[in-house]
Amino acid sequence: AQSVTQPDIHITVSEGASLELRCNYSYGATPYLFWYVQSPGQGLQLLLKYFSGDTLVQGIKGFEAEFKRSQSSFNLRKPSVHWSDAAEYFCAVDVKAAGNKLTFGGGTRVLVKP
Amino acid sequence: SAVISQKPSRDICQRGTSLTIQCQVDSQVTMMFWYRQQPGQSLTLIATANQGSEATYESGFVIDKFPISRPNLTFSTLTVSNMSPEDSSIYLCSSLGGSDGYTFGSGTRLTVV
Repeated sequence: AQSVTQPDIHITVSEGASLELRCNYSYGATPYLFWYVQSPGQGLQLLLKYFSGDTLVQGIKGFEAEFKRSQSSFNLRKPSVHWSDAAEYFCAVDVKAAGNKLTFGGGTRVLVKP
Repeated sequence: SAVISQKPSRDICQRGTSLTIQCQVDSQVTMMFWYRQQPGQSLTLIATANQGSEATYESGFVIDKFPISRPNLTFSTLTVSNMSPEDSSIYLCSSLGGSDGYTFGSGTRLTVV
């Protein structure tokens, strides 16, 4: 079955430290890939997306992600975390060949220690 | 990218009643979607709202419980029918179009008591 996996349910990181959130998908074709952030009580905000081309994608708020076809991964990174980065992060996949719709991973909650 | 206005932002409802959530997009979009986010969980697609025809429901969701309308290319509604406490969730609409791909409404936080 097609799926999106975020292996880490919770991550705690110190302010100023680096952050990496993992995302793996299982689809036959290369999908369109997205990372969203959801702050408490808020809607979803798009951080970045990958459709094609350069596999290293730059997003908003200092985030970047790298698409690795061989590993079916799209990991999100930030070199230096700020306290305001504490939120829930969702990886999502759109497999065009299966019709337009987003499938979300389970999410990773990021806590930032002062 | 499109901007979606979703309302109500939150509501507290009695069990057995129904609530209709509205989403208005500021431009014409081909596709609109409805998601449910149960407490502490990820987003699950309920259905794709098709303009001029019946919605396409995902496994586990049925039209009698979640009737959807899409009268034109900028508007859709989701009704949560005969509510029970298990329906307490955040419901989000989404549209497909523009450079960002998908845009989301701000969500409706529903509590059923």
